[in-house]
Amino acid sequence: EIVMTQSPATLSVSPGERATLSCRASQSVSTNLAWYQHKPGQAPRLLIYGASTRATGIPPRFSGSGSGTEFTLTISSLQSEDFAVYYCQQYNVWPPWTFGQGTKVDVK
Amino acid sequence: EVQLVESGGGLVKPGRSLRLSCLASGFRFGDYGMSWFRQAPGKGLEWVAFIRSKTFTGTTDYAASVKDRFTISRDDSKSFAYLQMNSLKTEDTAVYYCSRAVRYSSGRSVVYYFDYWGQGTLVTVSS
Repeated sequence: EIVMTQSPATLSVSPGERATLSCRASQSVSTNLAWYQHKPGQAPRLLIYGASTRATGIPPRFSGSGSGTEFTLTISSLQSEDFAVYYCQQYNVWPPWTFGQGTKVDVK
Repeated sequence: EVQLVESGGGLVKPGRSLRLSCLASGFRFGDYGMSWFRQAPGKGLEWVAFIRSKTFTGTTDYAASVKDRFTISRDDSKSFAYLQMNSLKTEDTAVYYCSRAVRYSSGRSVVYYFDYWGQGTLVTVSS
């Protein structure tokens, strides 16, 4: 099973600032890596797949990069609606599909 | 518009059974694999079960924690996915989400990622 590790656990950011979230895989997942945004009581929302491709309807302030074992999600200028928990998920080796433990982005 | 709506959650005693349903709309349901995930209180997301489309065998996979207790199935004529949960344990308490799986070829492998999710249904296992 591939273990995904996200850092930091919590990121405190002011609106308008840049946020950088990291995700590391215990072995290479190529570019088979997705990022999700999750707010309480809502459906998880796919932001990025293929490590860097934005999903349908995702604004360009969200960008993903990386390959192999190291990945980054960048939110270029945080909006109020972006405060949420973000998860990375690998889908290169399955089952199981595995997630990181999440990074909570909150208001500084 | 793609929509997934889960139902069937509730309070159940340990050892009992529950069946969750996921009604899909806005796409050709039979063309896609479907999966169930869960989130226990205060925890992250966890994959639970997966069923391929009938075009690609319709076979299933399960997380080790639920194998031999849970069964995923689908009714393509009604656009439903189901999760039959037997021998429930307190540690199965979670919000359960269904999700649509997108299949593509990555090199010489086939991979699936999950593009649309429902809002979830809460299952509480407690005496």
